[in-house]
Amino acid sequence: GAVVSQHPSWVICKSGTSVKIECRSLDFQATTMFWYRQFPKQSLMLMATSNEGSKATYEQGVEKDKFLINHASLTLSTLTVTSAHPEDSSFYICSASGAGGGGNEQFFGPGTRLTVL
Amino acid sequence: DAKTTQPPSMDCAEGRAANLPCNHSTISGNEYVYWYRQIHSQGPQYIIHGLKNNETNEMASLIITEDRKSSTLILPHATLRDTAVYYCIVRVLNSNYQLIWGAGTKLIIKP
Repeated sequence: GAVVSQHPSWVICKSGTSVKIECRSLDFQATTMFWYRQFPKQSLMLMATSNEGSKATYEQGVEKDKFLINHASLTLSTLTVTSAHPEDSSFYICSASGAGGGGNEQFFGPGTRLTVL
Repeated sequence: DAKTTQPPSMDCAEGRAANLPCNHSTISGNEYVYWYRQIHSQGPQYIIHGLKNNETNEMASLIITEDRKSSTLILPHATLRDTAVYYCIVRVLNSNYQLIWGAGTKLIIKP
């Protein structure tokens, strides 16, 4: 299957700082990328859907000004958690789908563990 | 809300077949049944999917009932590395269609 990477795999930051997480499709062009958040012992919760070159669509209850998503190219999407607080500590996962990557399938990154002190 | 229901947890002995059930009684005619799994602290991994016929690949088999209201994922020879949360999802086959994640089944393989 197609490969999706995330960077960093884990990050620890101070409260009030911003953190950027990268999601890359390594061997296919991702026309759509999804960002999920997962709290301990819970299932994945979709935060937003982004299509290359257009603004992301956020799920209800997700603050678009706090979680900035940029999908400027067909292989890269970034999620920036602005002014992070301890309650933002979570496991963030991206997935990608698009031409050459199995078409209709979503391929998942390994996740990024964010800890806000 | 997720359109599937799964038991919260199951145990299976190493080397035996693990059979994971899923109910999707409100599945639509154009929705496929997908299975993913998530090993602790990793991203989800695709396992298999099907529409109405049984499917088999190198990882597992998928048995879908004739009325399509339920399915079973079969791991034929479970190993300790198969311990994970298994998610059954129904979705339309469209690249932009989001996946709705339920709680999944925590499968524990015991030596």
